[in-house]
Amino acid sequence: GAGVSQSPSNKVTEKGKDVELRCDPISGHTALYWYRQSLGQGLEFLIYFQGNSAPDKSGLPSDRFSAERTGGSVSTLTIQRTQQEDSAVYLCASSLQANQETQYFGPGTRLLVL
Amino acid sequence: SQQGEEDPQALSIQEGENATMNCSYKTSINNLQWYRQNSGRGLVHLILIRSNEREKHSGRLRVTLDTSKKSSSLLITASRAADTASYFCATAGLGGNTPLVFGKGTRLSVIA
Repeated sequence: GAGVSQSPSNKVTEKGKDVELRCDPISGHTALYWYRQSLGQGLEFLIYFQGNSAPDKSGLPSDRFSAERTGGSVSTLTIQRTQQEDSAVYLCASSLQANQETQYFGPGTRLLVL
Repeated sequence: SQQGEEDPQALSIQEGENATMNCSYKTSINNLQWYRQNSGRGLVHLILIRSNEREKHSGRLRVTLDTSKKSSSLLITASRAADTASYFCATAGLGGNTPLVFGKGTRLSVIA
């Protein structure tokens, strides 16, 4: 595709519900990254994929968070039993390789947990 | 641990003035990157400077890197109202595939 896309753009959910956030990276990019950004803060690294495997899951805040990537393309970030502190913008980025070069970001999903 | 730390946290200038933002980091790096973010949405890559480079230019942007001081600066010359955004530095640590570490950013306001 032309750029990284994410869906939904906005998500409002009730505490305790599960949510799925989707990221569609740039075609041909093998590396995919998930970040979280709370209001007025920097980016908090969550997880990255090289192909379909996730070498580094250290940033996932709790076992309620999980992510998968299939076919080396689309990725889904799932948050189970959402809490109010999960409210944030979730950003996805992709790069040609997981080699610390330029990352291309999607527009993000703004999650609000009531 | 937190790598890039931008300074100042917020900066307000008049259109036409230059804006300088600084980034300090703690451990050795492969490269340092600057990104821009409008309205809390996706980040846009501005410039990448490698550890063996000292200065890089791109249009109205000038980036310097001082590895001895573990610091970088981003200069935007002749600022415009459209430059209003948050600017983040991101460091790529040694070791190949470690993810970029982003700072908290500098919020730049350019007043017309």
